[in-house]
Amino acid sequence: EVQLVQSGAELKKPGESLKISCKGSGYIFPNNWVAWVRQMPGKGLEWMGLIYPGDSDTRYSPSFQGQVTISADKSINTAFLQWSSLKASDTAMYYCARTQSNSFDAFDIWGQGTMVTVSS
Amino acid sequence: DIVLTQSPGTLSLSPGERATLSCRASQSVNSNYLAWYQQKPGQAPRLLIFGASSRATGIPDRFSGSESGTDFTLTINRLEPEDFAVYYCQHYGGSWPFGQGTRVEIK
Repeated sequence: EVQLVQSGAELKKPGESLKISCKGSGYIFPNNWVAWVRQMPGKGLEWMGLIYPGDSDTRYSPSFQGQVTISADKSINTAFLQWSSLKASDTAMYYCARTQSNSFDAFDIWGQGTMVTVSS
Repeated sequence: DIVLTQSPGTLSLSPGERATLSCRASQSVNSNYLAWYQQKPGQAPRLLIFGASSRATGIPDRFSGSESGTDFTLTINRLEPEDFAVYYCQHYGGSWPFGQGTRVEIK
């Protein structure tokens, strides 16, 4: 079964750092882009960026460029999303998703989501 | 940047009725790069349609997509109880913006 499994919920304080993960299985992980999508409470979906694990080519949404870092380790079939200094406004559900193919494509498989809460 | 505007914001319908959801792009887009997703409360989104009109694996044929220029439509024929959810359109192909969503609720 093709799936993406994300790391668990996080409760952090403003200013702290965080790295969440997304592990793929059931397919050749390096061969599909992996995206990160934010959903703030009660709001819609926002694409943050994508990475191609095969060569680490990374594309960021202008809205998130410089705010987060996307990385991947193809040896362990895992993509990461990290923050160096969290803000309360980073409180949201974060989903990873893979593209259908090895090119720019729709997102056919989604992780279960990681809830990040930033509160003092 | 491409902006996708969905309408209406909320659609109130009864089971068995037809739902027609609209997604308008701010500029000409390649229709091969338009997708629709369904999201139910507490769940991750699910891909319904890609390439504007191709159904994803396992999607019932009551879901269909079409396009006319910069306007894209998702039609759900004969709404089932499980179809009441929020629907998003998305363009892909270098950037991956989503529309703001349309909620289909039970009337």
